[in-house]
Amino acid sequence: QQKVQQSPESLTVSEGAMASLNCTFSDGTSNNFRWYRQHSAKGLEVLVSIFSDGEKEEGRFTAHLNRANLHVSLHIREPQPSDSAVYLCAVENYNQGKLIFGQGTKLSIKP
Amino acid sequence: EAAVTQSPRSKVAVTGGKVTLSCHQTNNHDYMYWYRQDTGHGLRLIHYSYVADSTEKGDIPDGYKASRPSQENFSLILELASLSQTAVYFCASSPGQGGSGNTLYFGEGSRLIVV
Repeated sequence: QQKVQQSPESLTVSEGAMASLNCTFSDGTSNNFRWYRQHSAKGLEVLVSIFSDGEKEEGRFTAHLNRANLHVSLHIREPQPSDSAVYLCAVENYNQGKLIFGQGTKLSIKP
Repeated sequence: EAAVTQSPRSKVAVTGGKVTLSCHQTNNHDYMYWYRQDTGHGLRLIHYSYVADSTEKGDIPDGYKASRPSQENFSLILELASLSQTAVYFCASSPGQGGSGNTLYFGEGSRLIVV
């Protein structure tokens, strides 16, 4: 059974500083990785999807994937207070048709 | 305008009572899902459906039923609500199977408290 773990559980970053979130997964055959953002009392919105090793940038959000290390990260450039939310990592395995979520990282951006 | 809408957004239910959570999508997607979110846990799949009048069990289906009367509507039913079912429930839709490269689009969630 795929395990997806996110770290840290919570993170506080000053406005304008880089925020970095981590996600490790146990199944090296996983195909696709997505980062979602969940604002309080709101639904989830997908920020970036990455399929290949390396990095994928979507505006201020950059995902880094390293399959050998079973690790995918999200970096937020110049975070703003409006970026305060819970960030969820989701890992897909096409052969199994499975989508597994991590437990989330609560990010707080202080002005 | 929100493409996946859930109702109610918040509900307090009595133990042993029946609860129905409703979801409506305007994405014209074949797949719809119900997830639950608990503190410290990621989203876990309860039921999903890929066609009207058919539902499939997810990873944690016990205590829940689902109904897909049309492509646009998908309901989650708790026949006998229990304290352990207190959680936030999310509905989502996708054009193809989740876990196979298709992005899921989520509603805003329904907070259920069972007392």
